[in-house]
Amino acid sequence: QVQLQESGPGLVKPSGTLSLTCAVSGGSISSSNWWSWIRQPPGKGLEWIGEIYHSGSTKYNPSLKSRVTISVDKSKNQFSLKLSSVTAADTAVYYCARISAGSYLDALDIWGQGTMVTVSS
Amino acid sequence: QSVLTQPPSLSGAPGQRVTISCTGSSSNIGAGYDVHWYQQLPGTAPKLLIYGHNNRPSGVPDRFSGSKSGTSASLAITGLQAEDEADYSCQSYDSSLSGSRVFGTGTKVTVL
Repeated sequence: QVQLQESGPGLVKPSGTLSLTCAVSGGSISSSNWWSWIRQPPGKGLEWIGEIYHSGSTKYNPSLKSRVTISVDKSKNQFSLKLSSVTAADTAVYYCARISAGSYLDALDIWGQGTMVTVSS
Repeated sequence: QSVLTQPPSLSGAPGQRVTISCTGSSSNIGAGYDVHWYQQLPGTAPKLLIYGHNNRPSGVPDRFSGSKSGTSASLAITGLQAEDEADYSCQSYDSSLSGSRVFGTGTKVTVL
């Protein structure tokens, strides 16, 4: 059974770069799935950040595109998120998720537990 | 700045029916994009509840059902149970945002 686990610093300074990794276990990142990052500011709704295929193809939220980079490391079976020039508005719980390859259309069918990232000096 | 609007909160007694609306526009739900629903129990990650408007993944009770009409979608919970107290979010796609995934504003369901 595929499981996802986010990891990375819980505190990032303003104007710095937020870096997170999502480790995939119980399955291969080179499967026919896309992989996604989503975030949720405290007390607010979910926001899609972007997604990646194992080939390296990416799709980004237009509102974040200039600051976001999502990459994949097939040798480590993981994918990563980098968000630059962060501000307090980027404080959120960050989730990684798997996109269904067809069984559930392209819904987000498996989620990591999430990791809280606070932007503060 | 979610493009899909949901009521912030709803409540119901055990056994009752509650319906959560997800209102979009002609560039998302009205354009024919799929609608998915996620349930988020307190302090946990979202879980896929309904996919493709009205389909349940294995293991999801049949008291949960989805529908879509025009530029809106709905999630109904019949026979409300205490364990259904959670946040619920709809998700679709928006052509005006280059086909980006978009989420609803989220609805907190309270079981009285």
